[in-house]
Amino acid sequence: DQQVKQNSPSLSVQEGRISILNCDYTNSMFDYFLWYKKYPAEGPTFLISISSIKDKNEDGRFTVFLNKSAKHLSLHIVPSQPGDSAVYFCAASASGNTPLVFGKGTRLSVIA
Amino acid sequence: GAVVSQHPSRVICKSGTSVKIECRSLDFQATTMFWYRQFPKKSLMLMATSNEGSKATYEQGVEKDKFLINHASLTLSTLTVTSAHPEDSSFYICSAMEQPNEKLFFGSGTQLSVL
Repeated sequence: DQQVKQNSPSLSVQEGRISILNCDYTNSMFDYFLWYKKYPAEGPTFLISISSIKDKNEDGRFTVFLNKSAKHLSLHIVPSQPGDSAVYFCAASASGNTPLVFGKGTRLSVIA
Repeated sequence: GAVVSQHPSRVICKSGTSVKIECRSLDFQATTMFWYRQFPKKSLMLMATSNEGSKATYEQGVEKDKFLINHASLTLSTLTVTSAHPEDSSFYICSAMEQPNEKLFFGSGTQLSVL
């Protein structure tokens, strides 16, 4: 059973508009969430994270929202740029030295 | 920012040979490193957790005799795919955990093709 789900395999957005990537999780022990961006044939790079004590974290064009009651988080990118085109992975972990559990990723295409 | 170097980036080998992949944390010490495998159009699958100075912890379904992991120092973990077969062809990625913030930094991955 998948503990971290990204139900949209792909998303297409026009340049300058907002991109919203969604992620749902089932494990209530998860208390730390991260988003990674991945280009083809490269390792993922860390984008932004949020701990369960917050419901929002912002870093430049990237904002992550966490809704603990719904076990849902989302990544907002605004304004979207062509260079944002990549696969975005949502990941979660429980406290301590535990490995991350990844979603399957969402491929974002930003069209100029 | 922290850098993790993974080498080689691409390797092609014959069936039956062994391949070693290195993962180095360049500017921090990592007591814990992770090895992932990615199949086409699928998520990153955790294979094992590598702890410096002790045996790696393998995820269910991952053969420890097939995928040998050695974490001999605080900056280096290696994954050896022994007696490789075509079904082992995949993209392998390592990550290292920076303490105390527990941030994960990923290597650039290794594309393994077994002929």
